[in-house]
Amino acid sequence: DAGITQSPRHKVTETGTPVTLRCHQTENHRYMYWYRQDPGHGLRLIHYSYGVKDTDKGEVSDGYSVSRSKTEDFLLTLESATSSQTSVYFCAISPGPQETQYFGPGTRLLVL
Amino acid sequence: GENVEQHPSTLSVQEGDSAVIKCTYSDSASNYFPWYKQELGKRPQLIIDIRSNVGEKKDQRIAVTLNKTAKHFSLHITETQPEDSAVYFCAASKKEGRRALTFGSGTRLQVQP
Repeated sequence: DAGITQSPRHKVTETGTPVTLRCHQTENHRYMYWYRQDPGHGLRLIHYSYGVKDTDKGEVSDGYSVSRSKTEDFLLTLESATSSQTSVYFCAISPGPQETQYFGPGTRLLVL
Repeated sequence: GENVEQHPSTLSVQEGDSAVIKCTYSDSASNYFPWYKQELGKRPQLIIDIRSNVGEKKDQRIAVTLNKTAKHFSLHITETQPEDSAVYFCAASKKEGRRALTFGSGTRLQVQP
């Protein structure tokens, strides 16, 4: 597996609390992505980054924000978690926009 | 934006048979089409991809075909084995604009021994 980790791996939180998920890479890849995976929906893009401080919205970005202050870290923040944000979150990295994406191990988030 | 539809949602085959999964895309500007495999409890991994300048690509028992006119592409797995059991996702992206992948909803393939 490519050098990509996610933390935490599991989290249980309550509605209305802020949550931050971290993606860390050691591959020096330019592109980083956050997806959520829900049954019947496949992988849906939340936000992605094409360089330090360069980010763009995906198809399900409402309620999420991201930050990338250095190449190796991409943070996903749920400002005020809702039950609809219960999901498995995957981070991915790639050298370029149409090159292989390498996925992290995923984070299971449960919002009660 | 791009919309990718994938069929079937579930597929069961006998070991040794072939399996075919089909995807259609909506944006004619899309030019990159990867397939990812996700085993139970694991992360997705790329198994094959195709770009719009070719119509077919093979890698051992796996092949992908692309019909740009009809805007659909398919994954073919021959001589299926139990270890092929997984969820398969197709995806599409374009060269210009927002170049991130749009994924299909996935196909759960079960290979019966």
